[in-house]
Amino acid sequence: AQSVTQLGSHVSVSEGALVLLRCNYSSSVPPYLFWYVQYPNQGLQLLLKYTTGATLVKGINGFEAEFKKSETSFHLTKPSAHMSDAAEYFCAVSASTGTASKLTFGTGTRLQVTL
Amino acid sequence: GAGVSQSPRYKVAKRGQDVALRCDPISGHVSLFWYQQALGQGPEFLTYFQNEAQLDKSGLPSDRFFAERPEGSVSTLKIQRTQQEDSAVYLCASSLAWDQPQHFGDGTRLSIL
Repeated sequence: AQSVTQLGSHVSVSEGALVLLRCNYSSSVPPYLFWYVQYPNQGLQLLLKYTTGATLVKGINGFEAEFKKSETSFHLTKPSAHMSDAAEYFCAVSASTGTASKLTFGTGTRLQVTL
Repeated sequence: GAGVSQSPRYKVAKRGQDVALRCDPISGHVSLFWYQQALGQGPEFLTYFQNEAQLDKSGLPSDRFFAERPEGSVSTLKIQRTQQEDSAVYLCASSLAWDQPQHFGDGTRLSIL
Protein backbone atom coordinates (compact mmCIF):
# COMPACT_ATOMS: atom_id res chain seq x y z
CA ALA A 1 0.00 0.00 0.00
CA GLN A 2 1.14 3.53 -0.71
CA SER A 3 0.24 6.99 0.50
CA VAL A 4 1.40 10.57 0.11
CA THR A 5 1.24 13.46 2.53
CA GLN A 6 1.67 17.00 1.33
CA LEU A 7 2.31 19.43 4.15
CA GLY A 8 0.60 22.75 3.60
CA SER A 9 -2.47 23.03 1.43
CA HIS A 10 -1.54 26.63 0.58
CA VAL A 11 1.89 28.16 0.17
CA SER A 12 2.49 31.81 -0.65
CA VAL A 13 5.85 33.19 -1.81
CA SER A 14 7.05 36.44 -3.29
CA GLU A 15 8.19 36.57 -6.86
CA GLY A 16 11.90 35.73 -6.94
CA ALA A 17 11.81 33.86 -3.63
CA LEU A 18 12.58 30.20 -3.04
CA VAL A 19 9.76 27.75 -3.56
CA LEU A 20 9.62 24.70 -1.28
CA LEU A 21 6.70 22.29 -1.45
CA ARG A 22 6.84 19.35 0.92
CA CYS A 23 5.96 15.74 0.19
CA ASN A 24 6.35 12.65 2.33
CA TYR A 25 5.43 9.20 1.13
CA SER A 26 4.80 5.73 2.44
CA SER A 27 5.37 2.66 0.31
CA SER A 28 5.76 -1.05 0.99
CA VAL A 29 7.97 -1.45 -2.10
CA PRO A 30 10.59 0.80 -3.68
CA PRO A 31 8.65 3.77 -4.97
CA TYR A 32 8.52 5.78 -8.11
CA LEU A 33 7.82 9.41 -7.21
CA PHE A 34 6.34 12.22 -9.26
CA TRP A 35 5.41 15.86 -9.10
CA TYR A 36 2.59 17.12 -11.28
CA VAL A 37 1.29 20.67 -11.79
CA GLN A 38 -2.33 21.50 -12.52
CA TYR A 39 -3.53 24.83 -13.87
CA PRO A 40 -7.22 25.78 -13.57
CA ASN A 41 -9.53 23.68 -15.71
CA GLN A 42 -6.67 21.63 -17.07
CA GLY A 43 -5.25 18.19 -16.58
CA LEU A 44 -2.02 17.37 -14.83
CA GLN A 45 1.35 18.07 -16.36
CA LEU A 46 4.40 16.11 -15.29
CA LEU A 47 7.10 18.28 -13.73
CA LEU A 48 9.60 15.60 -12.83
CA LYS A 49 9.95 12.00 -11.75
CA TYR A 50 12.23 9.79 -9.72
CA THR A 51 12.55 6.12 -10.63
CA THR A 52 16.06 4.90 -9.92
CA GLY A 53 19.56 6.33 -9.97
CA ALA A 54 20.38 9.91 -9.10
CA THR A 55 18.36 11.10 -6.14
CA LEU A 56 18.34 14.74 -7.24
CA VAL A 57 16.09 15.05 -10.24
CA LYS A 58 15.60 18.09 -12.40
CA GLY A 59 12.38 18.85 -14.17
CA ILE A 60 10.79 21.43 -16.37
CA ASN A 61 10.44 25.14 -15.59
CA GLY A 62 13.43 25.14 -13.24
CA PHE A 63 11.97 22.78 -10.65
CA GLU A 64 13.89 20.02 -8.96
CA ALA A 65 13.28 17.47 -6.21
CA GLU A 66 15.44 15.26 -4.06
CA PHE A 67 14.55 11.70 -3.09
CA LYS A 68 15.57 11.06 0.52
CA LYS A 69 14.86 7.47 1.44
CA SER A 70 15.84 7.89 5.09
CA GLU A 71 13.31 10.70 5.47
CA THR A 72 10.73 9.21 3.06
CA SER A 73 10.57 12.61 1.44
CA PHE A 74 10.49 14.06 -2.06
CA HIS A 75 10.29 17.81 -1.61
CA LEU A 76 9.95 20.10 -4.64
CA THR A 77 12.05 23.24 -4.92
CA LYS A 78 12.66 26.12 -7.27
CA PRO A 79 15.29 28.79 -6.53
CA SER A 80 13.29 31.75 -7.81
CA ALA A 81 9.50 31.86 -8.12
CA HIS A 82 7.80 33.34 -11.14
CA MET A 83 4.24 34.56 -11.38
CA SER A 84 3.51 31.82 -13.90
CA ASP A 85 4.32 29.19 -11.25
CA ALA A 86 1.02 29.90 -9.48
CA ALA A 87 -0.92 26.64 -9.72
CA GLU A 88 -1.83 23.47 -7.82
CA TYR A 89 0.97 20.98 -7.27
CA PHE A 90 0.49 17.29 -6.63
CA CYS A 91 3.00 14.78 -5.37
CA ALA A 92 2.33 11.18 -6.36
CA VAL A 93 3.76 7.73 -5.74
CA SER A 94 3.52 4.47 -7.62
CA ALA A 95 4.96 1.02 -7.12
CA SER A 96 8.12 0.14 -8.98
CA THR A 97 7.02 -3.47 -9.26
CA GLY A 98 4.03 -5.21 -10.70
CA THR A 99 2.16 -4.77 -13.93
CA ALA A 100 0.53 -1.45 -13.33
CA SER A 101 1.77 1.88 -12.10
CA LYS A 102 -1.40 3.49 -10.80
CA LEU A 103 -0.63 6.74 -9.08
CA THR A 104 -1.54 7.59 -5.52
CA PHE A 105 -1.75 11.35 -5.13
CA GLY A 106 -1.49 13.73 -2.23
CA THR A 107 -4.19 16.30 -1.61
CA GLY A 108 -2.25 19.02 -3.37
CA THR A 109 -0.58 22.32 -2.49
CA ARG A 110 -1.80 25.54 -4.00
CA LEU A 111 1.12 27.85 -4.72
CA GLN A 112 0.45 31.56 -4.74
CA VAL A 113 3.09 33.95 -6.06
CA THR A 114 2.85 37.59 -5.06
CA LEU A 115 4.62 40.68 -6.34
CA GLY B 1 -2.73 17.64 -31.24
CA ALA B 2 -0.95 14.58 -29.97
CA GLY B 3 -2.18 14.69 -26.39
CA VAL B 4 -4.87 12.78 -24.51
CA SER B 5 -8.30 14.00 -25.55
CA GLN B 6 -11.39 13.77 -23.36
CA SER B 7 -14.98 14.55 -24.26
CA PRO B 8 -17.20 16.16 -23.32
CA ARG B 9 -15.28 18.75 -21.30
CA TYR B 10 -18.38 19.51 -19.25
CA LYS B 11 -21.39 17.35 -18.57
CA VAL B 12 -24.49 18.20 -16.57
CA ALA B 13 -26.94 15.44 -15.78
CA LYS B 14 -29.92 14.96 -13.54
CA ARG B 15 -29.70 12.51 -10.71
CA GLY B 16 -30.61 9.05 -11.96
CA GLN B 17 -29.46 9.56 -15.54
CA ASP B 18 -26.72 7.52 -17.18
CA VAL B 19 -23.62 9.26 -18.54
CA ALA B 20 -20.74 8.21 -20.78
CA LEU B 21 -17.33 9.87 -20.78
CA ARG B 22 -14.86 9.33 -23.59
CA CYS B 23 -11.06 9.20 -23.62
CA ASP B 24 -8.82 9.17 -26.69
CA PRO B 25 -5.32 8.26 -25.53
CA ILE B 26 -2.08 9.16 -27.25
CA SER B 27 -1.62 6.93 -30.28
CA GLY B 28 0.40 3.83 -29.44
CA HIS B 29 -0.02 4.11 -25.69
CA VAL B 30 -0.68 0.69 -24.24
CA SER B 31 -1.70 1.72 -20.74
CA LEU B 32 -4.79 3.76 -19.94
CA PHE B 33 -5.94 4.97 -16.53
CA TRP B 34 -9.07 6.67 -15.20
CA TYR B 35 -8.99 8.88 -12.13
CA GLN B 36 -11.68 10.78 -10.23
CA GLN B 37 -10.85 14.18 -8.77
CA ALA B 38 -13.30 15.63 -6.27
CA LEU B 39 -13.27 19.37 -5.65
CA GLY B 40 -10.18 20.42 -3.73
CA GLN B 41 -8.73 16.91 -3.69
CA GLY B 42 -6.06 14.98 -5.50
CA PRO B 43 -7.04 12.51 -8.20
CA GLU B 44 -8.00 9.03 -7.07
CA PHE B 45 -7.45 5.93 -9.13
CA LEU B 46 -10.49 4.24 -10.64
CA THR B 47 -9.35 1.66 -13.18
CA TYR B 48 -6.51 0.58 -15.47
CA PHE B 49 -6.33 -1.00 -18.93
CA GLN B 50 -3.44 -2.62 -20.68
CA ASN B 51 -4.52 -2.65 -24.31
CA GLU B 52 -8.11 -3.93 -24.19
CA ALA B 53 -7.72 -5.84 -20.95
CA GLN B 54 -9.01 -4.23 -17.77
CA LEU B 55 -6.36 -5.38 -15.32
CA ASP B 56 -7.37 -3.38 -12.28
CA LYS B 57 -10.78 -1.98 -11.37
CA SER B 58 -10.24 -1.83 -7.66
CA GLY B 59 -10.91 1.91 -7.50
CA LEU B 60 -14.38 1.89 -9.02
CA PRO B 61 -16.62 3.11 -6.18
CA SER B 62 -19.66 0.99 -7.00
CA ASP B 63 -21.16 -1.32 -9.58
CA ARG B 64 -22.75 1.74 -11.17
CA PHE B 65 -19.34 2.54 -12.64
CA PHE B 66 -18.23 0.64 -15.72
CA ALA B 67 -15.30 1.18 -18.07
CA GLU B 68 -14.34 -0.40 -21.36
CA ARG B 69 -11.63 -0.20 -24.01
CA PRO B 70 -12.81 -2.75 -26.58
CA GLU B 71 -10.18 -2.20 -29.26
CA GLY B 72 -7.32 -1.18 -27.05
CA SER B 73 -7.53 2.48 -27.99
CA VAL B 74 -10.50 4.68 -27.10
CA SER B 75 -11.99 4.13 -23.66
CA THR B 76 -15.39 4.96 -22.24
CA LEU B 77 -16.27 5.40 -18.59
CA LYS B 78 -19.97 4.88 -17.97
CA ILE B 79 -21.84 5.82 -14.83
CA GLN B 80 -25.34 4.47 -14.40
CA ARG B 81 -28.07 5.98 -12.24
CA THR B 82 -25.89 8.95 -11.35
CA GLN B 83 -25.94 10.38 -7.83
CA GLN B 84 -24.84 13.74 -6.52
CA GLU B 85 -21.68 12.31 -5.01
CA ASP B 86 -20.56 11.38 -8.54
CA SER B 87 -19.97 15.07 -9.26
CA ALA B 88 -16.24 15.41 -9.91
CA VAL B 89 -13.66 15.83 -12.62
CA TYR B 90 -12.86 12.57 -14.36
CA LEU B 91 -9.32 12.40 -15.69
CA CYS B 92 -7.94 9.99 -18.22
CA ALA B 93 -4.23 9.28 -18.58
CA SER B 94 -2.23 7.13 -20.94
CA SER B 95 1.32 5.88 -21.00
CA LEU B 96 3.55 4.06 -23.44
CA ALA B 97 4.01 1.17 -21.02
CA TRP B 98 3.12 0.37 -17.43
CA ASP B 99 6.31 1.88 -16.03
CA GLN B 100 6.38 5.01 -18.16
CA PRO B 101 5.07 8.46 -17.12
CA GLN B 102 1.37 9.06 -17.50
CA HIS B 103 0.08 11.85 -19.73
CA PHE B 104 -3.21 13.37 -18.64
CA GLY B 105 -6.13 14.79 -20.55
CA ASP B 106 -7.90 17.97 -19.46
CA GLY B 107 -10.70 15.98 -17.86
CA THR B 108 -14.48 15.92 -17.96
CA ARG B 109 -16.21 17.97 -15.28
CA LEU B 110 -19.38 16.11 -14.32
CA SER B 111 -22.10 17.89 -12.39
CA ILE B 112 -25.09 15.95 -11.11
CA LEU B 113 -28.14 18.05 -10.25
